[in-house]
Amino acid sequence: GAVVSQHPSRVICKSGTSVKIECRSLDFQATTMFWYRQFPKKSLMLMATSNEGSKATYEQGVEKDKFLINHASLTLSTLTVTSAHPEDSSFYICSARGTGAQETQYFGPGTRLLVL
Amino acid sequence: GQNIDQPTEMTATEGAIVQINCTYQTSGFNGLFWYQQHAGEAPTFLSYNVLDGLEEKGRFSSFLSRSKGYSYLLLKELQMKDSASYLCAPMDSNYQLIWGAGTKLIIKP
Repeated sequence: GAVVSQHPSRVICKSGTSVKIECRSLDFQATTMFWYRQFPKKSLMLMATSNEGSKATYEQGVEKDKFLINHASLTLSTLTVTSAHPEDSSFYICSARGTGAQETQYFGPGTRLLVL
Repeated sequence: GQNIDQPTEMTATEGAIVQINCTYQTSGFNGLFWYQQHAGEAPTFLSYNVLDGLEEKGRFSSFLSRSKGYSYLLLKELQMKDSASYLCAPMDSNYQLIWGAGTKLIIKP
């Protein structure tokens, strides 16, 4: 399958700081990228969908000013958690999909964020 | 509304066969994906069905019946490394994947 990388894999930060997570599709062009959050033993929760070159579409209840998403190229999307708080501690996972809407979403390895 | 129904947990023996069932209700339908997720890791793609019938891929097979809103994942010759959660994810009319909590599969020696 296609390869999606995510960086960093793990980050610990102080409350109030901002954290940027990068998601890259390594061997295909990702027209659409998705950002998910997953709490322990819970299902994946879609936060936002981003299409290259346009603004991200956020799911209900997700603050767009807190979770800034940029999808500047066909291989890179970034999620910035601004002014992080302990309740933002979670497993953040990106996925990427090619040009066809029915194409498979391939997931990055995820970023584990711990806010102290 | 949209929902997915899978057993929360299943247990099987190494070397055996297990079938994980999934029923779903979505607004429109554009196929169904199965993903495997090991604890603490991101999901990995297993299969995609858009037409009725069985798709076989090595030890794993996936079946779809669109009229019944039903799919199953069949795992043969179970190995200890197959212990993971298995996520059934139908795609709705907006090409969005709908996620449930998945089925945690425990393999015993």
